[in-house]
Amino acid sequence: SYELTQPPSLSVSPGQTASITCSGNKLGDKYSCWYQQKPGQSPVLVMYEDNKRPSGIPERFSGSNSGNTATLTISGTQAMDEADYYCQAWDTTTVIFGGGTKLTVL
Amino acid sequence: EVQLVESGGGLVHPGGSLRLSCAASGFTFTNYWLHWVRQAPGKGPMWVSRVNADGDIISYADSVKGRFTISRDNAKNTLYLQMNSLRGEDTAVYYCAREGDTSMAPLDFWGQGTLVTVSS
Repeated sequence: SYELTQPPSLSVSPGQTASITCSGNKLGDKYSCWYQQKPGQSPVLVMYEDNKRPSGIPERFSGSNSGNTATLTISGTQAMDEADYYCQAWDTTTVIFGGGTKLTVL
Repeated sequence: EVQLVESGGGLVHPGGSLRLSCAASGFTFTNYWLHWVRQAPGKGPMWVSRVNADGDIISYADSVKGRFTISRDNAKNTLYLQMNSLRGEDTAVYYCAREGDTSMAPLDFWGQGTLVTVSS
C-alpha cells in the first residue's frame, strides 16, 4: 500500500522559514495537499493541488511537489502557525495521509 | 457557510455497534462525494470510507471493510456510518468531510468530529 512519510517534528524561530516535507514513491506524479490541525480542532485545508491556497489561507503558505517529495513552506512563520501538519494524496480511490509533522515556533 | 455536524459517538463495548450521523448544510449536498476520517488519540488522521453523490459508489479502508457501512440520505442532507463488530483499535474521533468539486479533490471542509470509545 502507498505510504507518505513526514518528519515527526520541526522547530523554527518566529520570522524564519519552515519547510515541511512529505515523501512518497513518485509523489510528484500525484497531486498533494496539506492540512493544518491545532489542538482540539479539526484539520483545515491549507494547500491543495501541490501549490494552491484555499481562500483565507495567508500568502506566507506555499507548496511544491516534485520527484518523491512534496513540501509545504511557511515564510515568516508566526506563533499562530504552531500546529500539526499532515500531507495527503490519493492512491487510486483511497485517501492517504502522512503521519504528521508537529511544527513548534519558539 | 458550509457546516458538517457529526453525532452518535459514545462509549461502546468491544463487539458492539454504533451509528454515526453527519448533518450537512450550506452547500448542495447532492453535488459532493463525502468521507469519514478517524483520528485515534495522539495519532494522525486515517481515512475510513468514501461515498459518491448518488450513494452507489463506495470504498473502504481495509481495516474496516466488512464491519463498517457508509450511506447517505440525500433527502435529509445526512451522511451515516454504521459501525459493527467494534474493536479497541476503532477508538477515535470520527470526522465527516466533504471532497472538493473536482475528481479526487482534497477534503475541503471537515466537521468537528464525534468521539467513539470502544472499551469494556
